[in-house]
Amino acid sequence: DTAVSQTPKYLVTQMGNDKSIKCEQNLGHDTMYWYKQDSKKFLKIMFSYNNKELIINETVPNRFSPKSPDKAHLNLHINSLELGDSAVYFCASSQGGLAGGPPREQYFGPGTRLTVT
Amino acid sequence: QQPVQSPQAVILREGEDAVINCSSSKALYSVHWYRQKHGEAPVFLMILLKGGEQKGHEKISASFNEKKQQSSLYLTASQLSYSGTYFCGTSLAGAGSYQLTFGKGTKLSVIP
Repeated sequence: DTAVSQTPKYLVTQMGNDKSIKCEQNLGHDTMYWYKQDSKKFLKIMFSYNNKELIINETVPNRFSPKSPDKAHLNLHINSLELGDSAVYFCASSQGGLAGGPPREQYFGPGTRLTVT
Repeated sequence: QQPVQSPQAVILREGEDAVINCSSSKALYSVHWYRQKHGEAPVFLMILLKGGEQKGHEKISASFNEKKQQSSLYLTASQLSYSGTYFCGTSLAGAGSYQLTFGKGTKLSVIP
């Protein structure tokens, strides 16, 4: 059983398009995250989300938006894709981990490699 | 705000030991260590909390020096399976959330 899953695994698209990446976790966690890992392997937090709050990293362009239909899903929607958006995007989840509780280990999905041409 | 990891890369022979350091210019609440193998997702190793004890995971352990705002990851008697990139992630003391900021990683290669 996959704990954190992402679809698609690979995504190739042209500049200017809009795309979504889906993430699902079956761990019963209440907090989910999106990370971007660039070609230099730098792992950068984009969003942290639970049912009470959304924390957005201030450096994330507003072309990126998280959408959570329920506690087990956190999708990432990207508008007007640019060449610089090419990266591997990881979804992760934890039980707690935001304000109000101790920090917790995060479980990462397998990643989505996005290539913008 | 991003923690600084050192060294950037290290090559070990099987059985050798290594230390990876993670330091911050700001007061930390927690330090998290993850390992990422090539083409895979990061995998959790351990968390060290302010005021907490040194943690261990098989032959991998870590410490957290609150005064220096520094954590060190110790890999003892390294095995081939230890190869990968090690990331430390830190959360800040007094911050509104425990959102993690990761260092740039330390690439560890273990050779026979």
